Amino acid sequence: KNEVEQSPQNLTAQEGEFITINCSYSVGISALHWLQQHPGGGIVSLFMLSSGKKKHGRLIATINIQEKHSSLHITASHPRDSAVYICAASVWNTDKLIFGTGTRLQVFP
Amino acid sequence: DSGVTQTPKHLITATGQRVTLRCSPRSGDLSVYWYQQSLDQGLQFLIQYYNGEERAKGNILERFSAQQFPDLHSELNLSSLELGDSALYFCASSVGRGSYYEQYFGPGTRLTVT
Repeated sequence: KNEVEQSPQNLTAQEGEFITINCSYSVGISALHWLQQHPGGGIVSLFMLSSGKKKHGRLIATINIQEKHSSLHITASHPRDSAVYICAASVWNTDKLIFGTGTRLQVFP
Repeated sequence: DSGVTQTPKHLITATGQRVTLRCSPRSGDLSVYWYQQSLDQGLQFLIQYYNGEERAKGNILERFSAQQFPDLHSELNLSSLELGDSALYFCASSVGRGSYYEQYFGPGTRLTVT
């Protein structure tokens, strides 16, 4: 079993739908990162959080430390949100990141 | 544009060869991370440097080595290349020492070993 698990692996949505991507981890963490990888390969950091909730535009990230679970929500999804979303755990007391396998999202008009 | 630069963008080489990938971090960032992304294994952490010193090692093969120079740019050296080394190699930089700082990713170097 991977130390960082994401679900679903693939997600298809119609424009305007509310999207949720889940990330569960089994290691102790100092922070949880959400990354977006565009079809061209470039990676952008979306959020880094260690507790609670963060919002940026239509994106919301939440984390529950006790349950070792984080979610990324996209409200009013748009075709330009089509990308691979990757969660990554900053392992406690180390400088290492462990990555989930990613969720491929396709949003159709 | 993240402010992190990587060269070259693409690299095609033969098995057994040696290559060097270069990364320049964002201005002011002291940490550089190297990652490998292959089709079958996803993103994997290779190694981290902070202000010239190695801080953490991940799944980095002995054939691979890295260093961070006084001007903070970093190089990843891959030697005795094998077909399985074909991958996207990303570097990322952050201002602080720990991986709990936000990381800014470079555009990646696509390595193809034939």
